[in-house]
Amino acid sequence: SQQGEEDPQALSIQEGENATMNCSYKTSINNLQWYRQNSGRGLVHLILIRSNEREKHSGRLRVTLDTSKKSSSLLITASRAADTASYFCAPSSGGSYIPTFGRGTSLIVHP
Amino acid sequence: GAGVSQSPRYKVAKRGQDVALRCDPISGHVSLFWYQQALGQGPEFLTYFQNEAQLDKSGLPSDRFFAERPEGSVSTLKIQRTQQEDSAVYLCASSLVSGQGQSPLHFGNGTRLTVT
Repeated sequence: SQQGEEDPQALSIQEGENATMNCSYKTSINNLQWYRQNSGRGLVHLILIRSNEREKHSGRLRVTLDTSKKSSSLLITASRAADTASYFCAPSSGGSYIPTFGRGTSLIVHP
Repeated sequence: GAGVSQSPRYKVAKRGQDVALRCDPISGHVSLFWYQQALGQGPEFLTYFQNEAQLDKSGLPSDRFFAERPEGSVSTLKIQRTQQEDSAVYLCASSLVSGQGQSPLHFGNGTRLTVT
């Protein structure tokens, strides 16, 4: 397995604005997952995008995948204060999958 | 229960004490993972089980760390002779199947270990 690297490390926006965070990885993947972690809690799975998909939506979340650039982005539209959390990506490659995480993007949404 | 349960939620240990952290995965989940998360960092992989078999323990930082899952369900992470650098949140996660990341991980809320 490989580790994704999230960018930016920190993002501060106003409620109602969109938030975009990026993930880069190094080798070919089977799929890539995004997770959210609220303070003091475990990670929560948000969305999985497969290597043959370019875009996926779930509610206010939009994930894109560019395998040629080895990168993915997570867009949160019309952000809310409750979206304040850290966001992590976990790329999957090879046979035995052990999710590994970077430092994440810390998102603060001001009401 | 409906989710992954970890106990205790908080643990304070004096340096040199042994601790045992418990994880109850979602019933029927084959894979179980332990992670260590320091403040402000992402979760760092410790070890992985598929049923009762410990398939990967490459992330365990020293031989003071030991994990088991004897019946393929509940898992225990034991840390012997705790040191201050062991202070962290220990997260457990389970997933339905193993292999190629097709199955999302379900995390517990972690055990916060403080070594004084």
